[in-house]
Amino acid sequence: RKEVEQDPGPFNVPEGATVAFNCTYSNSASQSFFWYRQDCRKEPKLLMSVYSSGNEDGRFTAQLNRASQYISLLIRDSKLSDSATYLCVVNDFNKFYFGSGTKLNVKP
Amino acid sequence: DGGITQSPKYLFRKEGQNVTLSCEQNLNHDAMYWYRQDPGQGLRLIYYSQIVNDFQKGDIAEGYSVSREKKESFPLTVTSAQKNPTAFYLCASSIRTGGLKETQYFGPGTRLLVL
Repeated sequence: RKEVEQDPGPFNVPEGATVAFNCTYSNSASQSFFWYRQDCRKEPKLLMSVYSSGNEDGRFTAQLNRASQYISLLIRDSKLSDSATYLCVVNDFNKFYFGSGTKLNVKP
Repeated sequence: DGGITQSPKYLFRKEGQNVTLSCEQNLNHDAMYWYRQDPGQGLRLIYYSQIVNDFQKGDIAEGYSVSREKKESFPLTVTSAQKNPTAFYLCASSIRTGGLKETQYFGPGTRLLVL
């Protein structure tokens, strides 16, 4: 079983839509969690960390559910520029584990 | 500007050749990492280093070697033993390992192609 699993998508949504991604992780002792954004042929860039209480940054909201071992990312009012692959990342002390990413296409 | 640099952007390898990918950071981070990304897949850890002169194998270390002689530098050598080296190679760094809210920052990557 993979440490981190994501639905690869693609999620095709119109501009202005709300879209949500989930990610599950296998190690219940995992310590910290992140969402990264990766554009085509570019490096991943940190989008936001995910805290137990949930956190919001503008149109983006991240939630952590430790009991069910998943994290989520909600994007409101989608923009064309949100089109990218979103990577779920879990930190188990010395190592970071990456999901294979969920592709988002925002259409005009 | 602080950041992570990788060079070259594109690298071509001939059969049986060793090639070295450069990674430098001026963020004063202790930990550095090398990942490999294949099309449509997630990042897989090759090697990581928590401190100068120390490094550990990741999940796919076979056919690769690293060194960490300076805090700022963590070069990766792709040896001839790596039979399928074509991939996107990403270097990352973080302040330290084991921290609860520690995050990784990535360089722009090197694309390695086999001739």
